[in-house]
Amino acid sequence: DAKTTQPTSMDCAEGRAANLPCNHSTISGNEYVYWYRQIHSQGPQYIIHGLKNNETNEMASLIITEDRKSSTLILPHATLRDTAVYYCIVRVATNAGGTSYGKLTFGQGTILTVHP
Amino acid sequence: DSGVTQTPKHLITATGQRVTLRCSPRSGDLSVYWYQQSLDQGLQFLIQYYNGEERAKGNILERFSAQQFPDLHSELNLSSLELGDSALYFCASSVYSDTGVGYTFGSGTRLTVV
Repeated sequence: DAKTTQPTSMDCAEGRAANLPCNHSTISGNEYVYWYRQIHSQGPQYIIHGLKNNETNEMASLIITEDRKSSTLILPHATLRDTAVYYCIVRVATNAGGTSYGKLTFGQGTILTVHP
Repeated sequence: DSGVTQTPKHLITATGQRVTLRCSPRSGDLSVYWYQQSLDQGLQFLIQYYNGEERAKGNILERFSAQQFPDLHSELNLSSLELGDSALYFCASSVYSDTGVGYTFGSGTRLTVV
């Protein structure tokens, strides 16, 4: 699975958009980008995933560059409850027959702090 | 409530002891994953089961073992406990066996070894 690089921490004002970058310059053609977040001491929560097209759901938007070497998770109107560690993960969509199957490897992530 | 139930929520035990952590997956999910989260190591993948069979293994210690039962609940057994085993242990479940989509995590079991 491709390695990802994220900033250690970021700040955002409440009500503003939070843009969390992720670099994955060694991503392969069959690897997806997944985003999860973990609010303090809770279990991680799935946010969104994508291959190459931009994706949007009720939680966030995912913008993937045309060369797929980086992506940005956008929380359009951040609230205090969005304060969490955000993990960007890259892996193949399916790995049947491989050795990692459904395994997700979490890095250190980005600590997002939303301020009033 | 995520639908994944972990018990107990907190556990305090002495070094050398053995404990069992339990996980009930979300209804309809066949895969169960166990993760360990300590302050200095972050979230570490331990093991995955799918419909009763082991499917993927991470850096799980030999003192640790797990199984998934016919009713799909899973147990993580930790033996000969050491101080360094103190951590949050998360269980997650998903419908599929081999994608990264749609993991649902439980609220975790906080294990303290004294």
